[in-house]
Amino acid sequence: QVQLVQSGAEVKKPGASVKVSCKASGYTFTGYYMHWVRQAPGQGLEWMGWINPNSGGTNYAQKFQGRVTMTRDTSISTAYMELSRLRSDDTAVYYCARVWGPLPRVDPLDGMDVWGQGTTVTVSS
Amino acid sequence: SYELTQPPSVSVSPGQTARITCSGDALPKQYAYWYQQKPGQAPVLVIYKDSERPSGIPERFSGSSSGTTVTLTISGVQAEDEADYYCQSADSSGTYGVFGGGTKLTVL
Repeated sequence: QVQLVQSGAEVKKPGASVKVSCKASGYTFTGYYMHWVRQAPGQGLEWMGWINPNSGGTNYAQKFQGRVTMTRDTSISTAYMELSRLRSDDTAVYYCARVWGPLPRVDPLDGMDVWGQGTTVTVSS
Repeated sequence: SYELTQPPSVSVSPGQTARITCSGDALPKQYAYWYQQKPGQAPVLVIYKDSERPSGIPERFSGSSSGTTVTLTISGVQAEDEADYYCQSADSSGTYGVFGGGTKLTVL
């Protein structure tokens, strides 16, 4: 079945970086845009950006530009999200999520039909 | 930056109809998507492209669009529908994604 499996929880100090992985299975990894979304404790969902796993092209939310890098390794069907210069307000659950339809039919900002289980990132001194 | 506005909470009794709205200036140009999120779980897509329902989503979930507002309607609400609901869309240029603030649906 189609699924996204994310890496485990992380605890980081302020100023450090974190890299979260998202391994896809059950479908053609390079055929679907992948988004990253985060959710701070008790808060709503926040869009961070997307990556085209086929081309490696990316688009980041303005808030995260300069601090976030989204990459992929097609040989192992895995997407990555790295966030640098961490602050305490980066404490959140980070999700990867696949866009609902295959390239090139869909717009990269179309909805997301398959989500990873989430990775908790805690930033604390 | 572009924002989508949702009511913080909606309450209905079982069997009634719940309507959750989402407002944004770019909604006449951009599709909206709706997600259901239960505590401790990842979101689930319940409506795509304003009014389409993914396979496996009950027919009581429907979506509509009128001008700058989109609406998620849940007919015959059941206790299991109690959750947070989020709308999602894009800014007018289609460059950046955005989520609404979320609406907590309480089934009385």
